[in-house]
Amino acid sequence: QVQLQQWGAGLLKPSETLSLTCAVYGGSFSGYYWSWIRQPPGKGLEWIGEINHSGSTNYNPSLKSRVTISVDTSKNQFSLKLSSVTAADTAVYYCARGLTGIAAAGTWCWFDPWGQGTLVTVSS
Amino acid sequence: QSVLTQPPSVSAAPGQKVTISCSGSSSNIGNNYVSWYQQLPGTAPKLLIYENNKRPSGIPDRFSGSKSGTSATLGITGLQTGDEADYYCGTWDSSLSAAGVVFGGGTKLTVL
Repeated sequence: QVQLQQWGAGLLKPSETLSLTCAVYGGSFSGYYWSWIRQPPGKGLEWIGEINHSGSTNYNPSLKSRVTISVDTSKNQFSLKLSSVTAADTAVYYCARGLTGIAAAGTWCWFDPWGQGTLVTVSS
Repeated sequence: QSVLTQPPSVSAAPGQKVTISCSGSSSNIGNNYVSWYQQLPGTAPKLLIYENNKRPSGIPDRFSGSKSGTSATLGITGLQTGDEADYYCGTWDSSLSAAGVVFGGGTKLTVL
């Protein structure tokens, strides 16, 4: 059974860089897209981006200029960096295993399982 | 404001049935598959439905999904108090300028 465990700094000042890491235990690292998703307090989910074991990435266009997702296949880990944070980046950040593909009827994608979440607060 | 539109809240009595809608457009729901997630209070989201209507192992058949045109629906029958949660739909958006995964704003289910 695949489990994701994430960690990183929970309190940042404006303009700093958010850094989180997610470790994957108990399953294959290849064949999936490893994703980051965030949820501002009391609000809905926002997809940040994803990476596969080869290092191929896709990012949310609205965050692309500030986001870097990287992978360390030797450790079965992937990481998120978000630069120049502001209060608007305050959220619970989740890592998740993504399954994505293209069929005749369109693109399919879903996330399972998810990490436990990390609350990141940006405050001066 | 979310790309996919969900009602903010729905409610029903224990044992009853409820449906949650998710409305989008041709660039997302209309031409791609939909997934649904359950988020119990204080926990991470959990996959309920994938590829419009498939249930992962361990998800009871009280939960069902469907899609028609640019809208999708999550159905829950035999409501239990443990079903009280926020529910989110998600899909791929194929817009040329903004391709990526999009979610609905979430629907809070109250079991009265």
